[in-house]
Amino acid sequence: AQSVTQLGSHVSVSEGALVLLRCNYSSSVPPYLFWYVQYPNQGLQLLLKYTTGATLVKGINGFEAEFKKSETSFHLTKPSAHMSDAAEYFCAVRYTGGGNKLTFGTGTQLKVEL
Amino acid sequence: DAGVIQSPRHEVTEMGQEVTLRCKPISGHDYLFWYRQTMMRGLELLIYFNNNVPIDDSGMPEDRFSAKMPNASFSTLKIQPSEPRDSAVYFCASSSIYETGERNYEQYFGPGTRLTVT
Repeated sequence: AQSVTQLGSHVSVSEGALVLLRCNYSSSVPPYLFWYVQYPNQGLQLLLKYTTGATLVKGINGFEAEFKKSETSFHLTKPSAHMSDAAEYFCAVRYTGGGNKLTFGTGTQLKVEL
Repeated sequence: DAGVIQSPRHEVTEMGQEVTLRCKPISGHDYLFWYRQTMMRGLELLIYFNNNVPIDDSGMPEDRFSAKMPNASFSTLKIQPSEPRDSAVYFCASSSIYETGERNYEQYFGPGTRLTVT
C-alpha cells in the first residue's frame, strides 16, 4: 500500500535553530506533495506544495521543502525556529491513480524551546 | 470566502444518542472530505464526495456512521448510535481540482468538531 512516512513523532529545537522535519513517500512516480500545519484546536492549513517544476518549494512563515525523487523525500526545513512555529506538521501525498485523495503521514509535533 | 464551515464546534453527548455533524464547503468546490482525528489513530479519511456523489466510503468505520451531501453547499456526518470510542475531532475539507486553472489537489480544512461521547 502507498504510504507516507514521517520520521520522528516529536521534534524539539531551540529558538533560532534549524528546523528539519522528514517525510518520505512510497512511489516511483513523482506524486503531488504537501505540508500542512495544525495549531492547537484548529484545522489543518497548507504550508506549501509541490506539483511540478522547481524542486525547492517555498511556503508561508519561512518554511521550504525540497522534492528529491532519487530519495523519494520531501523534507520540510526552516533556517531559524520561532516560538510560534510550535505545532503539529503533516506531510501529505496525492498518489497517481488515487483520485482526489491525499494520504497523510502520522504527523510530527514540533516543540520550540527558549 | 469564509472557508469551510463546520458546526457545532463542540458536541458532548451520551452513549446511544444520535449525533449529526454539519459542513459547508467553500463555494465552487466540487470535492468534500470527512476525516476523523484521534491520538491513537491519527488522521483518517472516512468518506469523500465528488459533485455530491460518494466516491469512496471505505474509511467509514461501521454501519453506525453515515454521510450525505444533499447539495453542493451542505454535507452531514451522522453517528447513530454513538459510542465512547467515537470521541474524536471530525474535520471536513473541500477542494476543487481545477481551482487555479491547473490540476490542484490542495484540500481546505474546516476548524473541526470536537465530539465527546460519555
